[in-house]
Amino acid sequence: DVKVTQSSRYLVKRTGEKVFLECVQDMDHENMFWYRQDPGLGLRLIYFSYDVKMKEKGDIPEGYSVSREKKERFSLILESASTNQTSMYLCASRRISGNMEQFFGPGTRLTVL
Amino acid sequence: AQSVTQLDSQVPVFEEAPVELRCNYSSSVSVYLFWYVQYPNQGLQLLLKYLSGSTLVKGINGFEAEFNKSQTSFHLRKPSVHISDTAEYFCAVKDTGTASKLTFGTGTRLQVTL
Repeated sequence: DVKVTQSSRYLVKRTGEKVFLECVQDMDHENMFWYRQDPGLGLRLIYFSYDVKMKEKGDIPEGYSVSREKKERFSLILESASTNQTSMYLCASRRISGNMEQFFGPGTRLTVL
Repeated sequence: AQSVTQLDSQVPVFEEAPVELRCNYSSSVSVYLFWYVQYPNQGLQLLLKYLSGSTLVKGINGFEAEFNKSQTSFHLRKPSVHISDTAEYFCAVKDTGTASKLTFGTGTRLQVTL
């Protein structure tokens, strides 16, 4: 079974803190994605990565950065957390070809106070 | 660019009744279509997908969806729902280029009651 794990299920941080969200997948997938999920807005893509050291901005990259130094790990960084970044963050991975299925992690619920 | 519309934000239904969750998309190119389910406090799980071939697609847990190109729709159906089907359902579209990304709808919350 493909497994996508995220470092924390729940996280509480203060405004201005630097926040790292980690995602690891164990199926050698080339593509990895970070989404945020908010009620009534569905999933919105923050950043994605086609392969190691490659990254592309998604639809809402402002206030975020990412790092992909190893194929299995994709990190989302909030340089200076703000209250409007309180949200559910979902990581996903996908093979570059084949059946196109994206596999999701369980999510990290981040609260910024 | 593509977009997905899920007009119903919530759908209440009694157990054992049929249900249809609506999804319409817009795209200027050929697409792949997906339905994902999210149970409470979990990530998303693939229910079914349309990549090519038969327009009627069967998925897990008794769900099916029909791709209608002329109406640009991909509605999800189940003939008889169960309490355990209570969840949020997301429709998603991707153009057929391998490097492209998924675009999700805003979700439909299916609430099944006795």
